[in-house]
This record gives sequence, structure tokens and C-alpha cells, in this order.
Amino acid sequence: DTAVSQTPKYLVTQMGNDKSIKCEQNLGHDTMYWYKQDSKKFLKIMFSYNNKELIINETVPNRFSPKSPDKAHLNLHINSLELGDSAVYFCASSQPGGNEQFFGPGTRLTVL
Amino acid sequence: QKEVEQDPGPLSVPEGAIVSLNCTYSNSAFQYFMWYRQYSRKGPELLMYTYSSGNKEDGRFTAQVDKSSKYISLFIRDSQPSDSATYLCAMKTRGSARQLTFGSGTQLTVLP
Repeated sequence: DTAVSQTPKYLVTQMGNDKSIKCEQNLGHDTMYWYKQDSKKFLKIMFSYNNKELIINETVPNRFSPKSPDKAHLNLHINSLELGDSAVYFCASSQPGGNEQFFGPGTRLTVL
Repeated sequence: QKEVEQDPGPLSVPEGAIVSLNCTYSNSAFQYFMWYRQYSRKGPELLMYTYSSGNKEDGRFTAQVDKSSKYISLFIRDSQPSDSATYLCAMKTRGSARQLTFGSGTQLTVLP
């Protein structure tokens, strides 16, 4: 009965490859997010979707493209991976207007 | 200068100690203040939430907000080894598109 789940948990890949991370929430929330956490634990928002509509798009390279097939899913596709993309990526969700965000377990991406 | 600054630590204390974790911020429009706890290899989870200035207590945890000084604190009384984690402050403006701005986190270790 996991609230926010992400797959895969670990992702090791070569520079230049394309990869996707999937996120699903079963909380009935309308809003979902992608965050990047660097090696110093700094957590920075990348994207936010409300009811499948993009509402926040921070300064993120075009190589990153979120896709929300329905309000329970928010996937992240990354093209032409670079060394600097290595980080932990967290998906989160919240109720409309809610201040609490529920985070997934994270996907640890390593680009070699 | 980052919008939210947090003492990075790491912080190591003996069991039973009182722990003080702090953040300062520059955006006077922040109205909602949160503390998230992140265990190793896990996603952050909401620990405390405060609206505007004042104190809030929940068991061994007390959150304080001083908007005049743009300073927030989390106190942990009678700290336990199970409190060992990274603590992230987060804040949000009123009416924003549910976007949280996080501090960089303080890593706390409580020694038995």
C-alpha cells in the first residue's frame, strides 16, 4: 500500500543514453512533482503538474521532459544523459492547496 | 545567495541531548514553514508544519518561527538514536503554486 512509488530505485547508465523514471501515487492527489537532490542533499524542484497540466517548470535543461498520462502518474524522461545528471530524483504529490508533500523513495541515478 | 540557508552540519550529539536546528531565509513573503526528516536512502517526510510566526509543539519536537528575524528553528528534546537523519527546512509563499523552497539539510547523528 505504498503511497508514492518510483521505479527504478537505482539506475546506472552511460553518458549519452536516454532513460526514464516512473512515478505513481495512490493518494488521490491532484498535484505531482519532480525534485532533484544533489550530493549535498540540496533538494530542488524541477517540475510540478496539477491534474495532468504543467504548472511549474524550473530552469531545467530541455533534455528533461516530464509526462503525466493521468493524475496518478508523472514520469520523467531524460535524453542524452550527462555526468552532472547524477543525483537522486524524488517524485512527490500533494492535495490541491495542501502544504504537505508526500515523497517517493527516490531514484538514484548514476551517469558514468 | 540562496533564498533559504541552513546550517549544514553534520551535527553529532549524545542521546538525551537537546538539539537545535536552524534556517534563515531572505524572502519575506514566505508564510508556511515546514520541517522534513529524511532517513538515509529514503524520501523526506513531513515532521512539523507552522503557519506564520509562533511556536508549535509535537511531543519531543518544537518548531519556532520568527518572521521579524526571518529565522526558523526546530528543537528536539531528549534526542534518541532513532532521530538520526537529515533535517530539511522548507517554506512556501501564500498563493504560490504549491512550490516549496528547501534548505540544504542538516545531518544529525544521535549517539547511544
